[in-house]
Amino acid sequence: DVKVTQSSRYLVKRTGEKVFLECVQDMDHENMFWYRQDPGLGLRLIYFSYDVKMKEKGDIPEGYSVSREKKERFSLILESASTNQTSMYLCASSRLLAHTDTQYFGPGTRLTVL
Amino acid sequence: AQTVTQSQPEMSVQEAETVTLSCTYDTSESDYYLFWYKQPPSRQMILVIRQEAYKQQNATENRFSVNFQKAAKSFSLKISDSQLGDAAMYFCAYKGNNAGNMLTFGGGTRLMVKP
Repeated sequence: DVKVTQSSRYLVKRTGEKVFLECVQDMDHENMFWYRQDPGLGLRLIYFSYDVKMKEKGDIPEGYSVSREKKERFSLILESASTNQTSMYLCASSRLLAHTDTQYFGPGTRLTVL
Repeated sequence: AQTVTQSQPEMSVQEAETVTLSCTYDTSESDYYLFWYKQPPSRQMILVIRQEAYKQQNATENRFSVNFQKAAKSFSLKISDSQLGDAAMYFCAYKGNNAGNMLTFGGGTRLMVKP
């Protein structure tokens, strides 16, 4: 059974704090993704990684960074959280360059920045 | 850049009835892939159905089928014999042939199923 896990389901942080969101997959997938989900906007890609230590910017990378030191783990970092980063964050993984392969999603982390 | 539009923020259907969710997209590519994902309340997003643009035959997965109109750039999802467990957010997604494995999502449609 495939599994993508995220470190927290709910997180509350204060403006200016450094925030780490962790994602782990157990499927030996090469690709990993971070999205944010906002009502009416669907999912928007923040960053993705196709290999260890490799990363590519998505559509909305501003204010975020990522880290992938091990194949199974992909971290999203908010260097200085702001209220406009309050959102649902979804992690996903997939095999490399498999066009029809599905992305497997984690349960999501609902982040509130006060 | 590709865009995906779901024009119905919310839909409702009576249990056992059929409902169709709309999706349109904009692309200049000829070869691409389309997906419908389901996100149940407080549960993980899962793939419902996929369609390769080069295939003329519409994809079907049990009670779920698509109406793929390539010329019109339309990709609707039909759910037959709706069940209470079908209540969820549904997202249409596009992937170009040269986009690695990056998906572009629509804004989503919330489907409610009435008993």
